[in-house]
Amino acid sequence: AQSVAQPEDQVNVAEGNPLTVKCTYSVSGNPYLFWYVQYPNRGLQFLLKYITGDNLVKGSYGFEAEFNKSQTSFHLKKPSALVSDSALYFCAVRDTLDSNYQLIWGAGTKLIIKP
Amino acid sequence: NAGVMQNPRHLVRRRGQEARLRCSPMKGHSHVYWYRQLPEEGLKFMVYLQKENIIDESGMPKERFSAEFPKEGPSILRIQQVVRGDSAAYFCASSPRTGRALGTDTQYFGPGTRLTVL
Repeated sequence: AQSVAQPEDQVNVAEGNPLTVKCTYSVSGNPYLFWYVQYPNRGLQFLLKYITGDNLVKGSYGFEAEFNKSQTSFHLKKPSALVSDSALYFCAVRDTLDSNYQLIWGAGTKLIIKP
Repeated sequence: NAGVMQNPRHLVRRRGQEARLRCSPMKGHSHVYWYRQLPEEGLKFMVYLQKENIIDESGMPKERFSAEFPKEGPSILRIQQVVRGDSAAYFCASSPRTGRALGTDTQYFGPGTRLTVL
């Protein structure tokens, strides 16, 4: 069965420090991987996705994520955190063997950037 | 180029009433997805629709919930005889989903409808 795990409910980082939000997945086929961000009382905004090719994917707002097939991970990273990055982050995966291509979502990680 | 539109943004209903949530996808998108988000929780898939077709409704409760995406007009998520447990944020997303991009397309989300059942 497909699944996504975001092992940390909350991540606290000081402004200016690098940040990492973790995501691991389980699929039967190959994964298509996505990161979204949700600000309070707002909808989800697309950040980046991995489909194929280069394992390092660059996205919006200076975020990037690295696909690691052996570790089945797709961690979100940013070299220098901003207070405005504080939000809820969701990882999602599609399984290429799922005929409906349903997106499976992680539970979300709350990122808090302290000044 | 307007994004995904949802209305109303906030909806208050008393137990037993009906709730109708509307979603207009992005221009050029013919695929719509509905999700539910409970407070402090992640997204739960409800239903996936194309124009005039329900493709996957595996996440929809068997009773009281229905969805449609007519040939003309927005997609509608209907909840009949609402109960307090239906209180949540309901998000709609859309995607273009061309044949070759099957599975690789990005879903774009609306701002959500926050349903409160008194």
